Amino acid sequence: AQSVTQLDSQVPVFEEAPVELRCNYSSSVSVYLFWYVQYPNQGLQLLLKYLSGSTLVKGINGFEAEFNKSQTSFHLRKPSVHISDTAEYFCAVSENTPLVFGKGTRLSVIA
Amino acid sequence: NAGVTQTPKFRILKIGQSMTLQCTQDMNHNYMYWYRQDPGMGLKLIYYSVGAGITDKGEVPNGYNVSRSTTEDFPLRLELAAPSQTSVYFCASSRMGLAGEETQYFGPGTRLLVL
Repeated sequence: AQSVTQLDSQVPVFEEAPVELRCNYSSSVSVYLFWYVQYPNQGLQLLLKYLSGSTLVKGINGFEAEFNKSQTSFHLRKPSVHISDTAEYFCAVSENTPLVFGKGTRLSVIA
Repeated sequence: NAGVTQTPKFRILKIGQSMTLQCTQDMNHNYMYWYRQDPGMGLKLIYYSVGAGITDKGEVPNGYNVSRSTTEDFPLRLELAAPSQTSVYFCASSRMGLAGEETQYFGPGTRLLVL
């Protein structure tokens, strides 16, 4: 069965600093990987997704993620965060089945 | 397109009451989902549907029921509300991408408090 581990439940970071949110998954076959963002009191929005091909995936709002098959990881990065990036971020995996979500990482950007 | 809409936005129920959470999508998606979100626990799948007339249980179906009579609508029914059902409920729908992957689109959520 698939599972997703987001290693950090909370990540505080200063404005304009870089950030990495970590995600590891368990799967024995090819998977599709996703990052979603949830702003306060809103539903989830798709940030980016990995299907195949290039291991570096670019998403909205300057975020990118790198798929590493050998380490079964899909970490999310941004070189310089803004106050508006404060939100909860969810990693998710799918093997032609309903998405399985991680427990989320709360990113707090400090001015 | 309105996307995925959910009503109501907020609701307070007494223990033992029943209610239906409404979900509608206008994107002609076949797949629809109901999740609950509890603090620090991520999203847990309650029920899902792969098309009109077809539903299946997710990870936490107990205490809930669903129906899917049309492509657009996927209501979630709570028959006997319990405090453990206090949560934020999200409906989502999805389409199949060119690679065979699903991309889910979420509604704004319904916040439910059971007292």
